[in-house]
Amino acid sequence: DAGITQSPRHKVTETGTPVTLRCHQTENHRYMYWYRQDPGHGLRLIHYSYGVKDTDKGEVSDGYSVSRSKTEDFLLTLESATSSQTSVYFCAISRESAHEQFFGPGTRLTVL
Amino acid sequence: AQTVTQSQPEMSVQEAETVTLSCTYDTSESDYYLFWYKQPPSRQMILVIRQEAYKQQNATENRFSVNFQKAAKSFSLKISDSQLGDAAMYFCAYSDRGSTLGRLYFGRGTQLTVWP
Repeated sequence: DAGITQSPRHKVTETGTPVTLRCHQTENHRYMYWYRQDPGHGLRLIHYSYGVKDTDKGEVSDGYSVSRSKTEDFLLTLESATSSQTSVYFCAISRESAHEQFFGPGTRLTVL
Repeated sequence: AQTVTQSQPEMSVQEAETVTLSCTYDTSESDYYLFWYKQPPSRQMILVIRQEAYKQQNATENRFSVNFQKAAKSFSLKISDSQLGDAAMYFCAYSDRGSTLGRLYFGRGTQLTVWP
């Protein structure tokens, strides 16, 4: 199994509070991704990174920001959480050109 | 934008039988990858099988095989000799080979139930 961990695994927070989710990999892969999973929508890309300090937006990036200061860590921040951001968040990594993505265990976030 | 459609929200199969999950996609690209991922109740996303569009031969992985019809933009997953452990949500996904970013486009999933 690819070495990907996510923390926390579960979180309950209140509307308006900042939240940071962490993805950590031990594979030294260049590409990292954040997805959210909602019933009836599959997985949708929030942000991705193609190197340290190199990030870009996905299809559902509003209300989210990311940072990648080290190859192994990719942080997802909700500056001011809203109830619509209640979801399961997955981090994924991929090698340079294989396009196969390996997923972390997911974080269930509930915004009350 | 590329779209992936899974028209069967739910499917069921008897243990030891065969089931086929459907997937269609829309793209103007000629070279791409297609994937099936499995998500059991544990929530972990597991890669089941991968197909490269430039390969004519359908991919197989043990009891899992695909029927890739490039002209029809169809990519179905066949599970033979179904087992209780196959019960899961299955996602079809697409990736453009020409993109170095390798982002995946997912369908909405098919929930597979396996009956004993």
